[in-house]
Amino acid sequence: NAGVTQTPKFQVLKTGQSMTLQCAQDMNHNSMYWYRQDPGMGLRLIYYSASEGTTDKGEVPNGYNVSRLNKREFSLRLESAAPSQTSVYFCASSSGPYFSPLHFGNGTRLTVT
Amino acid sequence: KNEVEQSPQNLTAQEGEFITINCSYSVGISALHWLQQHPGGGIVSLFMLSSGKKKHGRLIATINIQEKHSSLHITASHPRDSAVYICAVIGVDQGAQKLVFGQGTRLTINP
Repeated sequence: NAGVTQTPKFQVLKTGQSMTLQCAQDMNHNSMYWYRQDPGMGLRLIYYSASEGTTDKGEVPNGYNVSRLNKREFSLRLESAAPSQTSVYFCASSSGPYFSPLHFGNGTRLTVT
Repeated sequence: KNEVEQSPQNLTAQEGEFITINCSYSVGISALHWLQQHPGGGIVSLFMLSSGKKKHGRLIATINIQEKHSSLHITASHPRDSAVYICAVIGVDQGAQKLVFGQGTRLTINP
C-alpha cells in the first residue's frame, strides 16, 4: 500500500519555467491538499480538493493552478516559476474534511533560480 | 500573534528522558492534530484529538479545551524520536482545509 505518492522529489527551475508536481493516493480518499513549507513558517495550504471535480483556493494560491484529474490524482502546476516559489511542497489526503487524519506524501524540494 | 504557538522551539535531551512539547492556540477548535516530521522530510500523523487523552506506544497526547492547550509527551525517549513535532488545529465547524499549523518543535535525543 503506497499511500500518497509525490513526484518529483527534487526539482530545479529557472525563473519563468513551468512544471507540474504530481500526486496520487491509493486510499480512496475524497479530500486532497497541496501545502508549501518554508523555513520558520508552518505549513501553508495552497489549494485543496474536497472531492473529485472540485478545487478551492487555500491561503497562498497565487502563482499556482491545480487539477483534480480523478479521485486518485491531484496535480499542482507552476505556470511561470518565481524565486519566491522556492519551497518544499507536500501533497496530503484524507478520507474527508472533518476529523480525519491527514496522510502526507514525502515532499518535493523545489528551487527556482 | 500566531493562532498556534508551540514551545519550546528546540529541545535537546538525553536518551531515556521524559519529553513534553506544548501547543497553545487562540481560537475555539473542533480538533487538534499532532504530526511528526522525520529528518528526511516525511510527515506522519501521530494523533488527532478533540478532548481528553490518547496514547500510542510511548507517545501520549492530551488536550485541555478550556485552557486551549495541548501537550505531547514522549516517555523513555530514544534517538529515533528525533524529529520535528507539529501541532495543527481546526476551528469549530471547519474542515481540514482550514487547518492552522504551528511552526514545529525540533526535538533531538542524544544517546
